[in-house]
Amino acid sequence: GENVEQHPSTLSVQEGDSAVIKCTYSDSASNYFPWYKQELGKRPQLIIDIRSNVGEKKDQRIAVTLNKTAKHFSLHITETQPEDSAVYFCAASMRGRRALTFGSGTRLQVQP
Amino acid sequence: NAGVTQTPKFQVLKTGQSMTLQCAQDMNHEYMSWYRQDPGMGLRLIHYSVGAGITDQGEVPNGYNVSRSTTEDFPLRLLSAAPSQTSVYFCASSRSGGGTDTQYFGPGTRLTVL
Repeated sequence: GENVEQHPSTLSVQEGDSAVIKCTYSDSASNYFPWYKQELGKRPQLIIDIRSNVGEKKDQRIAVTLNKTAKHFSLHITETQPEDSAVYFCAASMRGRRALTFGSGTRLQVQP
Repeated sequence: NAGVTQTPKFQVLKTGQSMTLQCAQDMNHEYMSWYRQDPGMGLRLIHYSVGAGITDQGEVPNGYNVSRSTTEDFPLRLLSAAPSQTSVYFCASSRSGGGTDTQYFGPGTRLTVL
């Protein structure tokens, strides 16, 4: 089955700096890669996703890049703000698969 | 539109007790699932359902039962609670198959088994 590895497990940045979280996946058939944000004590919520027919997708301060050859994808957050502090999960899947396979999460702390 | 709701928010059980975690959605989603979240291990799939009357096992199904009698409801039953089942449980739903549709999560149930 699919296996998703996520790094780093914790990340601390200064407000205004950029943050990058990386994930690798094992199944080359996977073609859908979402990112979820989970604030402390809250539910995970989708913040951005990318499908394998594109290499990069942006939404304001966040972007995701995908390298299908190397089987890795990354979340980039620019101009970080304290409200970006949360746990971020990557995931991988494809149509017809029963569910998403999640990475183990990255705790991002943005220092004011 | 309440989205995905879960009850209770918190629960403490003694080893061997049974209980049911409730999950409901009002978005007419076909796909529903249960995950458990443990520190450093992400979200792991327990059971899922692709429609009323259809359920299947996920990655970590042992010790849990599910049923799906209606589109709206997907309860998770702990048959005989064990300390290893101490976790945060999230129910999720999506419009159709769980593979590439946005998952909408409920607020979670924090379960402690003593």
